[in-house]
Amino acid sequence: ELKVEQNPLFLSMQEGKNYTIYCNYSTTSDRLYWYRQDPGKSLESLFVLLSNGAVKQEGRLMASLDTKARLSTLHITAAVHDLSATYFCAVDIAGAGSYQLTFGKGTKLSVIP
Amino acid sequence: GAGVSQTPSNKVTEKGKYVELRCDPISGHTALYWYRQSLGQGPEFLIYFQGTGAADDSGLPNDRFFAVRPEGSVSTLKIQRTERGDSAVYLCASSLDPNNNEQFFGPGTRLTVL
Repeated sequence: ELKVEQNPLFLSMQEGKNYTIYCNYSTTSDRLYWYRQDPGKSLESLFVLLSNGAVKQEGRLMASLDTKARLSTLHITAAVHDLSATYFCAVDIAGAGSYQLTFGKGTKLSVIP
Repeated sequence: GAGVSQTPSNKVTEKGKYVELRCDPISGHTALYWYRQSLGQGPEFLIYFQGTGAADDSGLPNDRFFAVRPEGSVSTLKIQRTERGDSAVYLCASSLDPNNNEQFFGPGTRLTVL
């Protein structure tokens, strides 16, 4: 059974600071997805990482994937209040014919002035 | 273009009743997924359609849950004899190509079973 673990689950950080969210998964896969969810809203796709060593950046967020370590990171640079949300990573194992996404529990990020 | 839409946005029902939840995917997306999300948790997979057929229904919790997609576009999730434990947000997602499995989510239906 594929398990996806995120840490930390809760993160309070000051504006202007940097931090990293970690996502570990238990089964071989080279496909990982990051989503953002605002309170009461649906999920917004942030990044799609489809190979070992993939790195993608959008604004103050950068995501990377290390398939050998079964680890993805979401790095936040110079946080601003607008980044406050819950961030989910998700994995599929398309190589095994399974396209369902298995999600972590999410990291609730609060950026405080 | 239009995103994934779901109706109703909220549904309150009584224990034992039957409910239907509707999903209209992004036009042209052949893959459609249903998930449910409980408070404070990540979405959990229910069922995946490729075209009209259910390619993977391994996430359906029991035989009270059923979903259809008769024309390969709109899908309906059907729950019989609802139980209080079915209360959750039901999310629908679609993707253009499962080989690049970026899934786009709808706003969800919040189901409350009293």
